[in-house]
Amino acid sequence: DVKVTQSSRYLVKRTGEKVFLECVQDMDHENMFWYRQDPGLGLRLIYFSYDVKMKEKGDIPEGYSVSREKKERFSLILESASTNQTSMYLCASSLWGANKFNTEAFFGQGTRLTVV
Amino acid sequence: AQKVTQAQTEISVVEKEDVTLDCVYETRDTTYYLFWYKQPPSGELVFLIRRNSFDEQNEISGRYSWNFQKSTSSFNFTITASQVVDSAVYFCALSEAGNSGGYQKVTFGIGTKLQVIP
Repeated sequence: DVKVTQSSRYLVKRTGEKVFLECVQDMDHENMFWYRQDPGLGLRLIYFSYDVKMKEKGDIPEGYSVSREKKERFSLILESASTNQTSMYLCASSLWGANKFNTEAFFGQGTRLTVV
Repeated sequence: AQKVTQAQTEISVVEKEDVTLDCVYETRDTTYYLFWYKQPPSGELVFLIRRNSFDEQNEISGRYSWNFQKSTSSFNFTITASQVVDSAVYFCALSEAGNSGGYQKVTFGIGTKLQVIP
């Protein structure tokens, strides 16, 4: 079974702190994603990576950065946490399918981050 | 721009009732993929189905069925004889061709929360 593991289930951080959210997948997937999930807004893409050291901005990258030094690991960094970054963060991975279309994504269990 | 609309934000049904979750999408591409995911209370989204734009055949998997109609840009999901374990948030998603490194952006709807009451 594909497994996507996020390092923390719940996190509480203070405003201004630098926050690291870690994600590891064990199926050699090329693509990895960070989403943010908020009530009434669904899932919004923050960043994605389609290869080691490659990253692309998603829909809401402001206030975030990412790192992918190894294929299996994709980190989301909040440079200076703010209260409006309180949210559920979901990591996912997927393979390239035929014609470079995404196959289904596999998701981690989510990290509920509270910034106080 | 691609868009996915799930107009039903919350639905409650009594166990054993059938329920249909609506999904309407917008895209300019002729080639695209549609997905449904389930998010149970545990939080982890689980893939249910992927359908490409050239395959309008309906699909049935146990109590689950999907109706894809390009003419109305809809990809609706029906649960027959609902059970309490079906209680979850269900997301519809659309993947079409993108511009960055061949990545096809996936756009999710806002989700429909289904509550099945015993």
